Amino acid sequence: QVQLQESGPGLVKPSETLSLTCTVSGGSVSSGSYYWSWIRQPPGKGLEWIGYVFYSGSTNYNPSLKSRVTISVDTSKNQFSLRLISVTAADTAVYYCAREGYYYASGYYYYMDVWGKGSTVTVSS
Amino acid sequence: DIQLTQSPSFLSASVGDSVTITCRPSQGISSYLAWYQQKPGKAPKLLIYAASTLQSGVPSRFSGSGSGTEFTLTISSLQPEDFATYYCQQVNSFPRTFGQGTKVEIK
Repeated sequence: QVQLQESGPGLVKPSETLSLTCTVSGGSVSSGSYYWSWIRQPPGKGLEWIGYVFYSGSTNYNPSLKSRVTISVDTSKNQFSLRLISVTAADTAVYYCAREGYYYASGYYYYMDVWGKGSTVTVSS
Repeated sequence: DIQLTQSPSFLSASVGDSVTITCRPSQGISSYLAWYQQKPGKAPKLLIYAASTLQSGVPSRFSGSGSGTEFTLTISSLQPEDFATYYCQQVNSFPRTFGQGTKVEIK
């Protein structure tokens, strides 16, 4: 079955750039049936959708982060990545990558059915 | 952005109880709603999509209903492994948003 695994630094300094990669195994990031997403969860808080990328490279971002975030896909490596610039302590969170699929029945009913285990990122000097 | 308000935020129940969690969007979203379960230190797990469709492998004691501006997640007979935090998510529009969560604890 499809599995996702996040990787990247666990500690980032304020004002620097957070970079994470999600490696897809058991499936292909080039599938036209899925969107590849990033979601984060600050300590003790709820879930926040960051955005997603399609295999073609098209993206959709949360407006609250849009000026600082880039999500990209590398089909040759079967990976997709998150880049968040100018981080502050407020960006400290567990970052999850996830696959967003859909069910069509008179409309596209999307859902996130496969998740990585999460990567804890702390922003601190 | 569409805001999702879950109630209650915290629920204490016993094994075997039937529990219901409500999710109310700030505007109508037809049936574009999913439910997730999250246990401490783990990633969320998809339970239900399209408001009422059970994800493959999820026990039938979980059920979802509703449309528009009110949705419910019901666990018909609470099992020890069901004690967790539950989130609703709207997929009607961007940005995707989640409810604040409902924590179900053992009484």
